[in-house]
Amino acid sequence: EAEVAQSPRYKITEKSQAVAFWCDPISGHATLYWYRQILGQGPELLVQFQDESVVDDSQLPKDRFSAERLKGVDSTLKIQPAELGDSAMYLCASSPGAREQFFGPGTRLTVL
Amino acid sequence: GESVGLHLPTLSVQEGDNSIINCAYSNSASDYFIWYKQESGKGPQFIIDIRSNMDKRQGQRVTVLLNKTVKHLSLQIAATQPGDSAVYFCAENPPHRTSYDKVIFGPGTSLSVIP
Repeated sequence: EAEVAQSPRYKITEKSQAVAFWCDPISGHATLYWYRQILGQGPELLVQFQDESVVDDSQLPKDRFSAERLKGVDSTLKIQPAELGDSAMYLCASSPGAREQFFGPGTRLTVL
Repeated sequence: GESVGLHLPTLSVQEGDNSIINCAYSNSASDYFIWYKQESGKGPQFIIDIRSNMDKRQGQRVTVLLNKTVKHLSLQIAATQPGDSAVYFCAENPPHRTSYDKVIFGPGTSLSVIP
């Protein structure tokens, strides 16, 4: 069964360092999402791509976060510099466009 | 320092009993709703969805009820099993100017099944 892949699964970094997360969506899924999930809360959308284009990045803190999906397939989310409050689970999801979203296992980020 | 999350509402049920998880959504214009299950250390997993032109939809051991009058959604799980222990999120799909499939997640409920 096809799944969304994410790496790394866990990342520990010090504040002010740069971190990057990678996501490979299910093959053929045009829509890709990055979410942030703070412990005990629901996921919050950071950015949504349709193919290689950003559809919605209204909740992305653009002073430190960036996301790209250059060829419309896999995607990278970067944080530079990381802050203590960025500690969270970063989830990637993809969709064939039929509203149902398929989530990856997430990357657990800890900023020290 | 470490960020502290909110305390999730918790529901404890005996194995074999039925579970009912409730959710209040915020946007009366939302036309699509989804329930997700999230096990520890994993991403959310789709359970069941319902469109706003329906008030009930059934799946395998799960039923979703929608009450648009009071903006309330519920998930019923029949014959709850230990494997049902997880955090359950409802999500709504409100109208959005650039994306018809953007969803907003609710705060979640932790379901604990007692063997």
